[in-house]
Amino acid sequence: QMQLQESGPGLVKPSGTLSLTCVVFRGSISSNSWWSWVRQPPGKGLEWIGEIFHSGSTNYNPSLKSRVIMSLDKSKNQFSLTLTSVTAADTAVYYCARGIGDWGQGTLVTVSS
Amino acid sequence: DIQMTQSPSSLSASVGDRVSITCRASHGIRNELDWHQQKPGKAPKRLIYAASSLQSGVPSRFSGSGFGTEFTLTISSLQPEDFATYYCLQHNSYPYTFGQGTKLEIK
Repeated sequence: QMQLQESGPGLVKPSGTLSLTCVVFRGSISSNSWWSWVRQPPGKGLEWIGEIFHSGSTNYNPSLKSRVIMSLDKSKNQFSLTLTSVTAADTAVYYCARGIGDWGQGTLVTVSS
Repeated sequence: DIQMTQSPSSLSASVGDRVSITCRASHGIRNELDWHQQKPGKAPKRLIYAASSLQSGVPSRFSGSGFGTEFTLTISSLQPEDFATYYCLQHNSYPYTFGQGTKLEIK
């Protein structure tokens, strides 16, 4: 069974940049799949951030599009999320997923000075 | 954006009960809807994909139905481990959108 594992700083300063990586185990990031990011503010619901295909094509949520970049690193079998100009509203658990079917365990990112 | 409206927002039920959760889409989404279960402190887990297909390993007491704008998740006989929050997700149009969630609690 495929597994996904997020990693990155748990604390980011306001106006800074959030950077997370998702490593894929027991599967290939080069497979015919979309690789997604979803987030969940504390005590709230789920928000789709966007996705990247193995070819590098991306789709982003328009609400975040101006601040989001997703990328792939096939040599490391991982994909990444970059979110710029963060505010307290970006504090959330961030999940990576394959096709929003296989989920990582999530990582909490807090935006605070 | 397609708005997904779940009802009820919360539900109290007993072990053994049959319960249903509804998700309505603001526009038709064919069968491009999944149901996910989330327990406190854990990642979501997909139960149903394509509106009615059971994810491998998910107990058969879970079932999904619907097409177009109205969808239902049914649990035929609640078990203690089913008390959780359930979300629908549409992946017909970008941006993908989730329902607000239904919290299923023990009565």
